[in-house]
Amino acid sequence: KQEVTQIPAALSVPEGENLVLNCSFTDSAIYNLQWFRQDPGKGLTSLLLIQSSQREQTSGRLNASLDKSSGRSTLYIAASQPGDSATYLCAVPRNTGKLIFGQGTTLQVKP
Amino acid sequence: GAGVSQSPRYKVAKRGQDVALRCDPISGHVSLFWYQQALGQGPEFLTYFQNEAQLDKSGLPSDRFFAERPEGSVSTLKIQRTQQEDSAVYLCASSPDPTVLSSYEQYFGPGTRLTVT
Repeated sequence: KQEVTQIPAALSVPEGENLVLNCSFTDSAIYNLQWFRQDPGKGLTSLLLIQSSQREQTSGRLNASLDKSSGRSTLYIAASQPGDSATYLCAVPRNTGKLIFGQGTTLQVKP
Repeated sequence: GAGVSQSPRYKVAKRGQDVALRCDPISGHVSLFWYQQALGQGPEFLTYFQNEAQLDKSGLPSDRFFAERPEGSVSTLKIQRTQQEDSAVYLCASSPDPTVLSSYEQYFGPGTRLTVT
């Protein structure tokens, strides 16, 4: 059974700091791993999708890495801004495509 | 084009009432998923449709939950005799091609927040 864990559950940093969010999964046989952002009271916005054959993906100030053998992914946010404050979720799909989510990391970036 | 839309955005129901939640996926998307998100938790899978066929309903928590997608586009999640534990955000997601899982990306709607009093 695939289980996804995110640590820490919450994180508070001053503006401008670089930070890393962690995601771990128990079954390394994954098709891809997806990082989402969720603002309070809103749905999920896809940030990055890393295919199983890839090691990392970048979008602007975001960089996500994937290490299947160790069952880990990290989301690196460079030069954090107050607008980055949100909950970040990682998820991996099962055979039918249904996503298994971590519980999320709630990030607060203080001005 | 338009993204995934859900209605209503908020629903308050008295315990025992029936509710119906609607999802309009992105046009042409074959796959449609429903998830339930409790406060402070990640979303949890409820059910999956490929076109009009419900291929996986293993996440539905009880027989009070029922979902349909009769014409392969709009989907409705129905909850009968609502209970307080049903209070959650219900998210709908769609995806274009279920055959290429490596690049399989899901697009989420804004969710319906259900509160059962």
